[in-house]
Amino acid sequence: KQEVTQIPAALSVPEGENLVLNCSFTDSAIYNLQWFRQDPGKGLTSLLLIQSSQREQTSGRLNASLDKSSGRSTLYIAASQPGDSATYLCAVREPQGAQKLVFGQGTRLTINP
Amino acid sequence: GAVVSQHPSRVICKSGTSVKIECRSLDFQATTMFWYRQFPKKSLMLMATSNEGSKATYEQGVEKDKFLINHASLTLSTLTVTSAHPEDSSFYICSARDIRGRTEAFFGQGTRLTVV
Repeated sequence: KQEVTQIPAALSVPEGENLVLNCSFTDSAIYNLQWFRQDPGKGLTSLLLIQSSQREQTSGRLNASLDKSSGRSTLYIAASQPGDSATYLCAVREPQGAQKLVFGQGTRLTINP
Repeated sequence: GAVVSQHPSRVICKSGTSVKIECRSLDFQATTMFWYRQFPKKSLMLMATSNEGSKATYEQGVEKDKFLINHASLTLSTLTVTSAHPEDSSFYICSARDIRGRTEAFFGQGTRLTVV
């Protein structure tokens, strides 16, 4: 059974810092991996999608990497801003059947002005 | 990106009543929709997978008679919480998969259900 773990559970950093969020998964057989952002009381906003054959994806100040063989992904946020404060979730899509998404528990990020 | 609309965003109901939550794909057709439940400061727990025109597949431990799912068309799935109890209070989120096979997951904005 696929399990996804995110470390740390919470992170607080000063504005302007670069930071890395970690995601690990137990079964390397995945279809893809997706990073999401969730603001309090809101739905999920997709940030980056990495297919299983890819190593990284970039969007603006965000860069996500994928090492499928070791079961790890990182989300790098450059020059953090207070508006980046949110919970960040990673999820892996199972390759078979309904191709369900399995979520990590999230990292609550706070960027202090 | 594709748009998934969930309605209502917030609902308060009395114990014992039923509540219906709608999930619509606005600019694409969805063969499969997923319903999640999220407890405070926790991650998303998949409740069920619904396929258009067929019965939903429920995850272990989810009561199918309490959480009725209907996926009547390629753009609409509904979740009905029947005989709601305070412990059903939670944040419910739906997700839809594009019929064209796009592998990105699109989520609704969620529904905050409070049962009093």
